[in-house]
Amino acid sequence: AQKITQTQPGMFVQEKEAVTLDCTYDTSDPSYGLFWYKQPSSGEMIFLIYQGSYDQQNATEGRYSLNFQKARKSANLVISASQLGDSAMYFCAMRERNTGGFKTIFGAGTRLFVKA
Amino acid sequence: NAGVTQTPKFQVLKTGQSMTLQCAQDMNHNSMYWYRQDPGMGLRLIYYSASEGTTDKGEVPNGYNVSRLNKREFSLRLESAAPSQTSVYFCASSAQQVGRENTEAFFGQGTRLTVV
Repeated sequence: AQKITQTQPGMFVQEKEAVTLDCTYDTSDPSYGLFWYKQPSSGEMIFLIYQGSYDQQNATEGRYSLNFQKARKSANLVISASQLGDSAMYFCAMRERNTGGFKTIFGAGTRLFVKA
Repeated sequence: NAGVTQTPKFQVLKTGQSMTLQCAQDMNHNSMYWYRQDPGMGLRLIYYSASEGTTDKGEVPNGYNVSRLNKREFSLRLESAAPSQTSVYFCASSAQQVGRENTEAFFGQGTRLTVV
């Protein structure tokens, strides 16, 4: 069963506007973590933001914020004031505890296109 | 500051050939991972190692074996390559452990493998 779901294969946003990238997850572990990564066309994976399951406040890192709705099991990434350099693939990931330790699994990704 | 180093960067194999992808990290991380990335499917976890001496299957382990040689190194072996294993392979490491759940994963640059 899919544990991390990103329903938007592609998104377009106008430069300087805000955009929300959706992510829902499924886990029975009460202690888990949620991550967002950016993958530009060059291929490297860049960590953006983290949200812990027990964190009371939504995480923020510069222009990135995470809209965490625990009851709905969603962890949407909000990018404010989009820039052309934000055009990339974005992956939502979940870290959960397993018998072998922690493991991190990823969603299928959303490709974001920022228009000038 | 090397971080996570993967070798090789590119490889072409014939069906049935074997090869080992090498990964080393110099950040003293306890957890290491192997993922494959295919278009439209995001990153899928092949195997992971929560600590030196332990390995566990991820989402798509069939056709692969791993070795956690020491704390620094985590290799991925394809015993008999198949065209379905054509993919981009990423190694990652993190300091994730109880009490340090918010640590992100650091990724290597990826290995582009083609099996013909």
